[in-house]
Amino acid sequence: AQSVTQLGSHVSVSEGALVLLRCNYSSSVPPYLFWYVQYPNQGLQLLLKYTTGATLVKGINGFEAEFKKSETSFHLTKPSAHMSDAAEYFCAVSDPRDDKIIFGKGTRLHILP
Amino acid sequence: DAGVTQSPTHLIKTRGQQVTLRCSPKSGHDTVSWYQQALGQGPQFIFQYYEEEERQRGNFPDRFSGHQFPNYSSELNVNALLLGDSALYLCASSLGQDSYNEQFFGPGTRLTVL
Repeated sequence: AQSVTQLGSHVSVSEGALVLLRCNYSSSVPPYLFWYVQYPNQGLQLLLKYTTGATLVKGINGFEAEFKKSETSFHLTKPSAHMSDAAEYFCAVSDPRDDKIIFGKGTRLHILP
Repeated sequence: DAGVTQSPTHLIKTRGQQVTLRCSPKSGHDTVSWYQQALGQGPQFIFQYYEEEERQRGNFPDRFSGHQFPNYSSELNVNALLLGDSALYLCASSLGQDSYNEQFFGPGTRLTVL
């Protein structure tokens, strides 16, 4: 069975500082991996995804993530945080054989002025 | 393009009642997935509809059922409501049922069971 663990339910960074949100997964097969963002009172929006190929994935709003098979990780980074990045971020994993998407519990990102 | 729309926005029911939630997918999308998001948790997959049939199902009891219409819109029905069914219910649409296809989410329906 697949699972996702997001380290830290709340993360605070200063505006302009590096954003690092951690995600580790468990999967018996090469997975598909996703990061979604959820703003208050809104649905989820896809930031980026890894399916195959290049392990460094670039997404929208300056975010990127690197698939590290040896560490079973898919951490999300952004070089310089902006106030508008404050939101809830969800890491998710999918087994290509059955296409169900399993979400982590989320990390709320706070941006300090 | 209106994107994914859901109705109603909010709903209050009492235990034992039945509820129907509705979803219209993004224009051109043929696949609809439903998720339950409890407060402070990530979304949990309920089921997916493609070509008017349930294709995948998560670990939810039979009280949760759904339907997809020929125009690809979908309904989620929950019978015999329990207090624990209180959550945000999210609908997501995509083109094709493969999980690598981007899912577009609606704003959700907030269900409160008293």
